Amino acid sequence: ETGVTQTPRHLVMGMTNKKSLKCEQHLGHNAMYWYKQSAKKPLELMFVYNFKEQTENNSVPSRFSPECPNSSHLFLHLHTLQPEDSALYLCASSQDTGQGSYEQYFGPGTRLTVT
Amino acid sequence: GQNIDQPTEMTATEGAIVQINCTYQTSGFNGLFWYQQHAGEAPTFLSYNVLDGLEEKGRFSSFLSRSKGYSYLLLKELQMKDSASYLCAVRDPRDDKIIFGKGTRLHILP
Repeated sequence: ETGVTQTPRHLVMGMTNKKSLKCEQHLGHNAMYWYKQSAKKPLELMFVYNFKEQTENNSVPSRFSPECPNSSHLFLHLHTLQPEDSALYLCASSQDTGQGSYEQYFGPGTRLTVT
Repeated sequence: GQNIDQPTEMTATEGAIVQINCTYQTSGFNGLFWYQQHAGEAPTFLSYNVLDGLEEKGRFSSFLSRSKGYSYLLLKELQMKDSASYLCAVRDPRDDKIIFGKGTRLHILP
């Protein structure tokens, strides 16, 4: 247990569906992140939130829409996805995003399959 | 551009020592991380280097040479549970983003 939880753990959705991924951290951190992990590719940073404000949108298609209502919760809203969006989606949190050894604590991930 | 290179796979024997190398070419540098990721699980933090030299933490040590754009993770007294992927990641000072390498899958043989 890293103090970061994600639901659901597995999700299968059609290309016309709308779904949301949820992340919650119990560590009192100020920063939260969404990453995408595909087979044989490095972890790709998607979004960064610091103190509920989005500080990074790493050229992610608009079919992915993040929401951060408070420092403990992060959502990723999905709509009209493509099969190539099938991947493991990891949420992470860290104390801050500034300089320093602010290691990130990762959740267990949501395994998403788009059919 | 940003580029982080590490071997795709390595194999070592239980009880032995293994060194996983990482080289990076980035426009700037503000710290290097190593993470461990077991199959089907989330990455977990192992080490952080921002100055040159060796950081030791139990069976694991991490080394950094900023002038060479080079780091390694050293694992001693290997155990079967060390079978995992090891991710090297560099922080970009322009925006504090952390950029990950593809990871090295380490197989431990009995």
